[in-house]
Amino acid sequence: GAGVSQSPSNKVTEKGKDVELRCDPISGHTALYWYRQRLGQGLEFLIYFQGNSAPDKSGLPSDRFSAERTGESVSTLTIQRTQQEDSAVYLCASSLVGGRLTDTQYFGPGTRLTVL
Amino acid sequence: AQKITQTQPGMFVQEKEAVTLDCTYDTSDPSYGLFWYKQPSSGEMIFLIYQGSYDQQNATEGRYSLNFQKARKSANLVISASQLGDSAMYFCAMRENNNNDMRFGAGTRLTVKP
Repeated sequence: GAGVSQSPSNKVTEKGKDVELRCDPISGHTALYWYRQRLGQGLEFLIYFQGNSAPDKSGLPSDRFSAERTGESVSTLTIQRTQQEDSAVYLCASSLVGGRLTDTQYFGPGTRLTVL
Repeated sequence: AQKITQTQPGMFVQEKEAVTLDCTYDTSDPSYGLFWYKQPSSGEMIFLIYQGSYDQQNATEGRYSLNFQKARKSANLVISASQLGDSAMYFCAMRENNNNDMRFGAGTRLTVKP
């Protein structure tokens, strides 16, 4: 079956513009995660969705970042008034149930965001 | 506080030899899970292996095994019979019970030499 997909694969924007990044999780996966990976670094957790529960937004770095998810399907990560420090690869992952230690996350290919 | 530490920014190994990638972690939660992911140059994160804190035996998945030393809080990844396709970044990660996020280390870049 299809894996996690993300679009666009690359996004170049000017400082101050808003951007939307999209994630399509694996069908049937109820949990969805967003991470940020700066060049040469590990992943930083941003936000977690589980079914219809309120999302865990504890990793969002500022109020310029927000994310939505429609039911158990597509999610969009929005960054408003982009700054150069927002330049990174944004990775989305989904897992079958979430909330369990053994719950394996499957990652998409990421969106490389460059803010000029 | 840093929860996952990977002290080797880069490692080299000869093809067909075994290599160990180090990972230490810090947690006060008695229940947690440890993961290793591979990230090739294409950028996608590929799940390799999982170890639960209460698992009695070290996890193994094909050529991958996890050397889990709970008292030392280490979870080293061992890759046996290295192949050229193993060249990639490797990330250790931990998830604590009842936490939604997964903490990742800074990664180790493995290069397999022919």
